[in-house]
Amino acid sequence: QKEVEQDPGPLSVPEGAIVSLNCTYSNSAFQYFMWYRQYSRKGPELLMYTYSSGNKEDGRFTAQVDKSSKYISLFIRDSQPSDSATYLCAMSESNSGYALNFGKGTSLLVTP
Amino acid sequence: GAVVSQHPSWVICKSGTSVKIECRSLDFQATTMFWYRQFPKQSLMLMATSNEGSKATYEQGVEKDKFLINHASLTLSTLTVTSAHPEDSSFYICSAFGREETQYFGPGTRLLVL
Repeated sequence: QKEVEQDPGPLSVPEGAIVSLNCTYSNSAFQYFMWYRQYSRKGPELLMYTYSSGNKEDGRFTAQVDKSSKYISLFIRDSQPSDSATYLCAMSESNSGYALNFGKGTSLLVTP
Repeated sequence: GAVVSQHPSWVICKSGTSVKIECRSLDFQATTMFWYRQFPKQSLMLMATSNEGSKATYEQGVEKDKFLINHASLTLSTLTVTSAHPEDSSFYICSAFGREETQYFGPGTRLLVL
């Protein structure tokens, strides 16, 4: 079993919809959770960074972490065509010196 | 956020040649950098951890003699793909820890070996 599971999609939604992206994991030692956005042929761009359980909001983006369920989510409100990309969840046991464990990424398409 | 650059952004080479990819942290010092490889429609797979001033740590299944890593300074790590073959064609991405203690990624280098 992979340590991080993420549905690859693709996920297609109309503009303005609320998007929900999710990952599950098996390693209870993970404490740092990140969401990256990757456009085609580009490097990943950090969107959200959270530590331990709880919610974090930044503009149209909300990240949720439920460590008891080993489940993290990213919500995108008022989705825009420019949000069309692959979204990767990533997590780590430590915030320094440790490589990240990535999900496979979910491909999102927001249609006008 | 922190800026990480890679050079070249893409390269096409003949089978059997060696290719060097540079990863630079532009506005911060990075004692640790990571090299990932990403095949089409796949996630990033860690290849190796590059530590300034010491030998790199390679993940299982990654040949250290084929993928040479040199982290000569706090802002530069290089990955050399030696005797490249078509199966080495991939998207190579480096990352480094920034001031906010999270990883920032370079824009990636697309390698095509003919």
